[in-house]
Amino acid sequence: GENVEQHPSTLSVQEGDSAVIKCTYSDSASNYFPWYKQELGKRPQLIIDIRSNVGEKKDQRIAVTLNKTAKHFSLHITETQPEDSAVYFCAASIIGSNYKLTFGKGTLLTVNP
Amino acid sequence: DGGITQSPKYLFRKEGQNVTLSCEQNLNHDAMYWYRQDPGQGLRLIYYSQIVNDFQKGDIAEGYSVSREKKESFPLTVTSAQKNPTAFYLCASTATGTGANSPLHFGNGTRLTVT
Repeated sequence: GENVEQHPSTLSVQEGDSAVIKCTYSDSASNYFPWYKQELGKRPQLIIDIRSNVGEKKDQRIAVTLNKTAKHFSLHITETQPEDSAVYFCAASIIGSNYKLTFGKGTLLTVNP
Repeated sequence: DGGITQSPKYLFRKEGQNVTLSCEQNLNHDAMYWYRQDPGQGLRLIYYSQIVNDFQKGDIAEGYSVSREKKESFPLTVTSAQKNPTAFYLCASTATGTGANSPLHFGNGTRLTVT
């Protein structure tokens, strides 16, 4: 089955700096890669996703890049703010198979004011 | 915070007792899921259901059971056979069982402590 590795497990940055979280996946058939954000004590929420037919997707301060050949994808957050502090999960699946969504172990991002 | 309601928020049980976690959704979603979240372990799928009266085991189904008698409800029973039941449990749903454009909508979770 699919295996998703996520690094780093913790990340601390100063407000205004950029943050990068990286994930690798093992199943070359995976073609859908969502990222979820879980603030302390709250539910995970989808913040951005990418399909394998594109290499990069942006949404304001958040971007995700995908390298299909190397089987890795990354989340980039620019101009970080304290409200970006949360646990971020990457995931991988095959389009049309949400039940096969495999999550990484999460990255605790702390943005220091 | 409408959509998916999990209750209770905190649950305490003695070892050897079965316990049922509630999950109700009013989003008219077909598919529902149960995940277990442990520190440093990410989200692991316990059971999922794509349609009423049907459900399948996820990656860590041992010691758990579910039912899906109504579209809105997907209760999870943690049985005494589950060796390490203390965890944070998240219920989720999607609009369809097969749509990648349908993000997972999560409940607020139930923290179960078994002593």
